[in-house]
Amino acid sequence: KAGVTQTPRYLIKTRGQQVTLSCSPISGHRSVSWYQQTPGQGLQFLFEYFSETQRNKGNFPGRFSGRQFSNSRSEMNVSTLELGDSALYLCASSPFSGGTEAFFGQGTRLTVV
Amino acid sequence: GENVEQHPSTLSVQEGDSAVIKCTYSDSASNYFPWYKQELGKGPQLIIDIRSNVGEKKDQRIAVTLNKTAKHFSLHITETQPEDSAVYFCAASRGYSTLTFGKGTMLLVSP
Repeated sequence: KAGVTQTPRYLIKTRGQQVTLSCSPISGHRSVSWYQQTPGQGLQFLFEYFSETQRNKGNFPGRFSGRQFSNSRSEMNVSTLELGDSALYLCASSPFSGGTEAFFGQGTRLTVV
Repeated sequence: GENVEQHPSTLSVQEGDSAVIKCTYSDSASNYFPWYKQELGKGPQLIIDIRSNVGEKKDQRIAVTLNKTAKHFSLHITETQPEDSAVYFCAASRGYSTLTFGKGTMLLVSP
């Protein structure tokens, strides 16, 4: 069974640009959650999608958005990039809504210059 | 909301020793407590989890204990090996809600 796949693995963007990250969950999993990981703040929850509906949202500005498609694949978009958005973005898939039995992908390392 | 405190932030042990990492949580309604291991350059890997109706769970060399009254849970690794070296995260949730993570513990196992 394939794991959670995130693309791309690495990204370098310029301040002010926008970026889209992709996550393909484990087959059969309907929940996809996104997290931002930084050395200072640790793992912080961004949002969760379950069956194409946003179920939960963390405390991030509106520049961070996401969506989920009918095949459960999810995308996360960050507009008007800031230097502070440099981080490892992780997605986790679960067969259940919420955090139960969540499996993470390798992450996308975003660097904003 | 939920707040999870994790200690220690770094832990160095000799190969073969035991390692214990402790977490406390604030939300008495939390009922799901997973532990993740993150190796350099990889995403967190779920290694064990426990639900609030269980006091202890074991899987080979790792075990987790939960004290609901005191609102704390611990990860125990016995007979540590160099490949156990990684950052370990605890987390808590109400099950249907999102995971709140601790800040992580860097475990270093010296041969």
